[in-house]
Amino acid sequence: ELKVEQNPLFLSMQEGKNYTIYCNYSTTSDRLYWYRQDPGKSLESLFVLLSNGAVKQEGRLMASLDTKARLSTLHITAAVHDLSATYFCAVDIYNNNDMRFGAGTRLTVKP
Amino acid sequence: NAGVTQTPKFQVLKTGQSMTLQCAQDMNHEYMSWYRQDPGMGLRLIHYSVGAGITDQGEVPNGYNVSRSTTEDFPLRLLSAAPSQTSVYFCASSTRTGRAYGYTFGSGTRLTVV
Repeated sequence: ELKVEQNPLFLSMQEGKNYTIYCNYSTTSDRLYWYRQDPGKSLESLFVLLSNGAVKQEGRLMASLDTKARLSTLHITAAVHDLSATYFCAVDIYNNNDMRFGAGTRLTVKP
Repeated sequence: NAGVTQTPKFQVLKTGQSMTLQCAQDMNHEYMSWYRQDPGMGLRLIHYSVGAGITDQGEVPNGYNVSRSTTEDFPLRLLSAAPSQTSVYFCASSTRTGRAYGYTFGSGTRLTVV
């Protein structure tokens, strides 16, 4: 059974600092997603990673994928308050229609 | 484009009542799915559909029923509500090949069963 583990689950950062969120998964997959969710809101797609070594960047966020290690990272550079949200990784099971989510990382960026 | 529209946004049910959560998309997406979100557990797949007339179970299907008579609509039915079904429910859609571009989520339905 596919398991998706994120860590940390809670992250409190100061503005201007860097940090990385980790997403480990337990079985073969061909797609990994990162989503952002603001309190009381829906999920917004941030990145879709399709192959080993894929790296995507948008503003202060950069996501990467290592399919051999079954690991994806979401790196935050010089955090700002607007990045405060919950971030989810999700993995598509290979050749299936099932997408499994991690538990989410609640990020708080303090001035 | 409206994207994915869910109704209602909030609902309170008594134990044993039934109801239908509505989901509609106007993007001609083949793939639609329902998730529930509980604190500390991420989102869990309830049911999904890869096209009109085709549905299948996800990770947590018990107590829920779905049908897909049109491409646009994918309602979720709670047959006999239980307090354990208190949750936030999200509907999502994608093109079959467009899963490489991610999913579009609705705004959610917050359901409380008392």
